[in-house]
Amino acid sequence: KAGVTQTPRYLIKTRGQQVTLSCSPISGHRSVSWYQQTPGQGLQFLFEYFSETQRNKGNFPGRFSGRQFSNSRSEMNVSTLELGDSALYLCASSQTQGTSNEKLFFGSGTQLSVL
Amino acid sequence: EDQVTQSPEALRLQEGESSSLNCSYTVSGLRGLFWYRQDPGKGPEFLFTLYSAGEEKEKERLKATLTKKESFLHITAPKPEDSATYLCAVRRRDFGNEKLTFGTGTRLTIIP
Repeated sequence: KAGVTQTPRYLIKTRGQQVTLSCSPISGHRSVSWYQQTPGQGLQFLFEYFSETQRNKGNFPGRFSGRQFSNSRSEMNVSTLELGDSALYLCASSQTQGTSNEKLFFGSGTQLSVL
Repeated sequence: EDQVTQSPEALRLQEGESSSLNCSYTVSGLRGLFWYRQDPGKGPEFLFTLYSAGEEKEKERLKATLTKKESFLHITAPKPEDSATYLCAVRRRDFGNEKLTFGTGTRLTIIP
């Protein structure tokens, strides 16, 4: 069974640009959540989607947005990039949503560098 | 505000030298404490979920325990392949919103 797939693996952008990251969950998983990982802050929750609807949201500005498609694939968009957005962005999938989540399956992430 | 603190930040052990990693938390209404392992260049990999104080879970050389204020990840006779960053996370319900908070991890190095 294929794992969680994130593309691209690496991305270099400049300040002010926007970026779209993609995540394909494990087949049969309907929940996709996104995390930002930096050396200083660790893993921080961005948002969770289940059945194409955003179910949970972390404390990130509106520049960070996402969506989920009918096949459970998800995209995350960051507009007007800032230097501080440089991070590893991780996507995780699970079969169910919220409190039913026994565990999350993570992809290898997209390493975003903002210059 | 939820706080998850992991200690030590880094730990170097000789192969076979047992030790424990600590995860202390302040959160009301805990709905699960999770341990993950993360290798360089990869996403976290699930290890354990603990739900209530007194609960213990084991997997190979790892054993996770939970009290009302902290969790320990005990590693017995570690091998070099156990080298990784170990993350803990706590989940609680916040006004109908599920909130998952991660610690910054313990970087474990096992020296052959």
